[in-house]
Formats: sequence, structure tokens, C-alpha cells
Amino acid sequence: KQEVTQIPAALSVPEGENLVLNCSFTDSAIYNLQWFRQDPGKGLTSLLLIQSSQREQTSGRLNASLDKSSGRSTLYIAASQPGDSATYLCAVKRYGGSQGNLIFGKGTKLSVKP
Amino acid sequence: EPEVTQTPSHQVTQMGQEVILRCVPISNHLYFYWYRQILGQKVEFLVSFYNNEISEKSEIFDDQFSVERPDGSNFTLKIRSTKLEDSAMYFCASSELAGYNEQFFGPGTRLTVL
Repeated sequence: KQEVTQIPAALSVPEGENLVLNCSFTDSAIYNLQWFRQDPGKGLTSLLLIQSSQREQTSGRLNASLDKSSGRSTLYIAASQPGDSATYLCAVKRYGGSQGNLIFGKGTKLSVKP
Repeated sequence: EPEVTQTPSHQVTQMGQEVILRCVPISNHLYFYWYRQILGQKVEFLVSFYNNEISEKSEIFDDQFSVERPDGSNFTLKIRSTKLEDSAMYFCASSELAGYNEQFFGPGTRLTVL
């Protein structure tokens, strides 16, 4: 059974710092991995999607990497800003089933202090 | 930019009542999903829907739940007889071409069962 774990559960950094959020999954048989941002009481905003054949994806100050064989992904945030404060979720889409569903980690709650 | 919309944003109901949660997926998307997030827990998959039928459902999606695409734009989740444990944030999502594409989430409906 696929399990997704995110470490750390919470992270507090000063503004301007570069940081890395970690995501691990137990079954390497995935189609893709998606990183989301969730603000308190709000929906999920898709940040990056990495297909299983890709090693990384970049969008602005965000860079996500994927090492499928070791079951790991990282989300790198450069030059963090207070507006980056949110919970970051990773989710994998597994093989099997018809259209596949996303399996989520519990998230890393990021606080960027001015 | 196209987005998934959901109504209502907050629904309060009495235990045993029926509720219908509504979603308007992104217009050219073909795959639709419902997820839920109990407070403080992971986001969990409920059901996926394609070509007017359920393509996959989780163990959570029992006989009390049903989904429907009543017209060309709406996608609904019905809970026939709500229980206290159905209290959660319910997210609708859609994806474009295939189930392996990026999923876009709506802002959610917070369901409170009293």
C-alpha cells in the first residue's frame, strides 16, 4: 500500500533563506508526483507536476526533484518570502486502478518570518 | 485563468440529512474527482469520474455517497444520510486529457454535521 510521508511536519525560517521540503513514498510504481500549496481553510493550489520519467521541474523560485527509485522528492524554495507561508503537500499518482487517484502526505507547514 | 469552483463554501446540516455539494470543473477537462480532508488529517481520495461513470472509488465512498454530472458543467457529490464523521472539507478536482495529467482543485466546501 502506498504511503506518503513529509518531513518536517513544520518549519520556520527567516525571510530570504533557501529551504528544502522533503517527501518520501513507499512504492516507486508511480505515474507522477504533484506538489501543492494549501493556505489555512483554503483549497489546494498546484505548484509543480513531475512525471515519473522526469528528474525535476522548475517554476519561478520553486524547484522540485524526483528520485523514483529511492522513493523521494524534494521541493526547493529559493529566497523565501513571508507570502510563502502555507502548508505544502506532496501527492503521488499510483499505477493501478483506472484513472488513478492522488495519495497525499500530511504536509509541511512552512512559516517564513519577516 | 480557468479554475474549479465549488458551492457552497460552507454547509451546516443535521445528522441524517441529505446534502449535495456542487462543483463546476474547468470547462475542457474530462476527468473529475472528489477528495475530502478531515480537520488535521491527510487529503483522501473519494471517487473519480469519467465519461459519465465512476472510474474508481475508495473504501470511504460507500452506498451513502453518489456522484452525478447532471448537465454539461456541474459535477455533484451527494451524501444521502450524513453522519457526524462526514464533517470535513470536500474538494472537487478536474484534469484535462487523461488521469495522469495535473489535477486542479477547487476551494472546497466545508461540511459540518451536527
